[in-house]
Amino acid sequence: DADVTQTPRNRITKTGKRIMLECSQTKGHDRMYWYRQDPGLGLRLIYYSFDVKDINKGEISDGYSVSRQAQAKFSLSLESAIPNQTALYFCATSDFPRTYEQYFGPGTRLTVT
Amino acid sequence: LAKTTQPISMDSYEGQEVNITCSHNNIATNDYITWYQQFPSQGPRFIIQGYKTKVTNEVASLFIPADRKSSTLSLPRVSLSDTAVYYCLLSPMDGGSQGNLIFGKGTKLSVKP
Repeated sequence: DADVTQTPRNRITKTGKRIMLECSQTKGHDRMYWYRQDPGLGLRLIYYSFDVKDINKGEISDGYSVSRQAQAKFSLSLESAIPNQTALYFCATSDFPRTYEQYFGPGTRLTVT
Repeated sequence: LAKTTQPISMDSYEGQEVNITCSHNNIATNDYITWYQQFPSQGPRFIIQGYKTKVTNEVASLFIPADRKSSTLSLPRVSLSDTAVYYCLLSPMDGGSQGNLIFGKGTKLSVKP
């Protein structure tokens, strides 16, 4: 089984709808991240969490919110989706400070029409 | 975090050695150099990390000159399956970035038969 899973893998939604993307991990890592990737661009950090009680904004947090329900679960919500939030979304975990290596999920392709 | 610069794209043929160079003129004394690989529609995957001289693993080699202002990822005898985007990142040892990574646009490597 994959260490980092994301659901759904693909989602099409309409402008104004609320949508939640979910991430689960079995690696036992405290740190979790949400990234967004647009075509031809690198990944940009949306939110990151050091543990259940510590959540921080990343580079592009506007229009997004997150919830860390447990060490293993980190959800990303779009309260009112807009077309320019159409992108590939990745969740990742890390065992920082033991290592900088991040482990990524398979991604969720979100389309907002 | 210091910025990295790498070529946007590179082409190669199967069986050739590929070298991707990354410039990081403002690298800090406590920065590691880290490379990730990303296949289409998948999350990035850690390849290799180093601080100075040469590091080799089962996938690649990383060459870092004494001044550390650049680094070169070397992929021996590439195959079609090495077609991917390769990212060069800097990771402070001291946790100054709180474990966060900054991804640029990366280098898109295309391997042809």
